[in-house]
Amino acid sequence: DQQVKQNSPSLSVQEGRISILNCDYTNSMFDYFLWYKKYPAEGPTFLISISSIKDKNEDGRFTVFLNKSAKHLSLHIVPSQPGDSAVYFCAASGSDSWGKLQFGAGTQVVVTP
Amino acid sequence: DAGITQSPRYKITETGRQVTLMCHQTWSHSYMFWYRQDLGHGLRLIYYSAAADITDKGEVPDGYVVSRSKTENFPLTLESATRSQTSVYFCASRRGEGEQFFGPGTRLTVL
Repeated sequence: DQQVKQNSPSLSVQEGRISILNCDYTNSMFDYFLWYKKYPAEGPTFLISISSIKDKNEDGRFTVFLNKSAKHLSLHIVPSQPGDSAVYFCAASGSDSWGKLQFGAGTQVVVTP
Repeated sequence: DAGITQSPRYKITETGRQVTLMCHQTWSHSYMFWYRQDLGHGLRLIYYSAAADITDKGEVPDGYVVSRSKTENFPLTLESATRSQTSVYFCASRRGEGEQFFGPGTRLTVL
């Protein structure tokens, strides 16, 4: 039973345009959400996070939006660059879970020139 | 170098053999985790540890054993490898609150 779902396995976007990645969760106890980026043959690297007390967090080109009532979060990348081509994982944890993360299946992003 | 390392990076073994994957971190982080990555599943937690000598099962622990006698090391052992354990394994660590930092992964193939 996957508690974190990324329903789009892939996304193709032109360089300079916006990439929007979506993530849904089912567990209402989740209160901390993260996005990780992964290149082939490397480990995931942390990108950005958001606590449930916020609805938006920005870091440079990356913005994460959280809609708690819909149990939905999204990652916006503006503008998209070729180096953004990677697999993006959404992850979530609850305050009582010792920081254990539940991951989505990932979205492969390809940024084309 | 500081960080989190895994060894070996690639391993081929046969069904029924015992395999140990090593994980070492130099940050003295309290928390350490083992995940496996499979297509369509993302990363799934196998075992985790809150400190030396404190470990607990994650989502998919069957067939795996862990130990943590020292803060910096968190080995994962497959006692009798099966083909279904063919996967990419990631170790991660976390200081307290906040994000986890991942190692480069071990690609394990069980024939």
